[in-house]
Amino acid sequence: KAGVTQTPRYLIKTRGQQVTLSCSPISGHRSVSWYQQTPGQGLQFLFEYFSETQRNKGNFPGRFSGRQFSNSRSEMNVSTLELGDSALYLCASTSRGGQGADTQYFGPGTRLTVL
Amino acid sequence: AQSVTQPDIHITVSEGASLELRCNYSYGATPYLFWYVQSPGQGLQLLLKYFSGDTLVQGIKGFEAEFKRSQSSFNLRKPSVHWSDAAEYFCAVGANAGGTSYGKLTFGQGTILTVHP
Repeated sequence: KAGVTQTPRYLIKTRGQQVTLSCSPISGHRSVSWYQQTPGQGLQFLFEYFSETQRNKGNFPGRFSGRQFSNSRSEMNVSTLELGDSALYLCASTSRGGQGADTQYFGPGTRLTVL
Repeated sequence: AQSVTQPDIHITVSEGASLELRCNYSYGATPYLFWYVQSPGQGLQLLLKYFSGDTLVQGIKGFEAEFKRSQSSFNLRKPSVHWSDAAEYFCAVGANAGGTSYGKLTFGQGTILTVHP
């Protein structure tokens, strides 16, 4: 089975622009979570989608949004980029309902640099 | 709310030496605990997980971890470290508490492991 894939792997944007990142979960997985990883804040939960519905959201501003499609692929969007949005964005998929006991399998991440 | 503390930011060991990475968690109910490893520029790979039952869990690459409820700890161990184990290690906790827990893992700050030849 193919693992979680994320595209693009690297991205360079300038302040004020917007960006869309894509995540394809493991085949059959329906829950997708997104995380932001920075040296200062570590790994922080952004949001989770299941069957095209956002069920949980972390403490991030409204500039961060996401969606999930019927094939479980997910995208996240960041509008009006700020320098502090530079980070590794990771997505993870789970095979079951996405609860705490479910194992999350991570993709390689998208490295976003904001200049 | 749950939290995870990894007290050691950076650990250096010699190849062949034993290893223990510390993890303390805070959670009101039975936690679901995970250890992940991350190589530079890569995503997270699951090493092992604890849900219930035997408190000593075995993982991949020769790692094991022991859940100690009385100490709120879930320390990761390996009897003999290999140079390829150099990476960053993350402890995480998940919860089954309804809406606010869906898809959310809470991570510690990570421990960077350096292995000397």
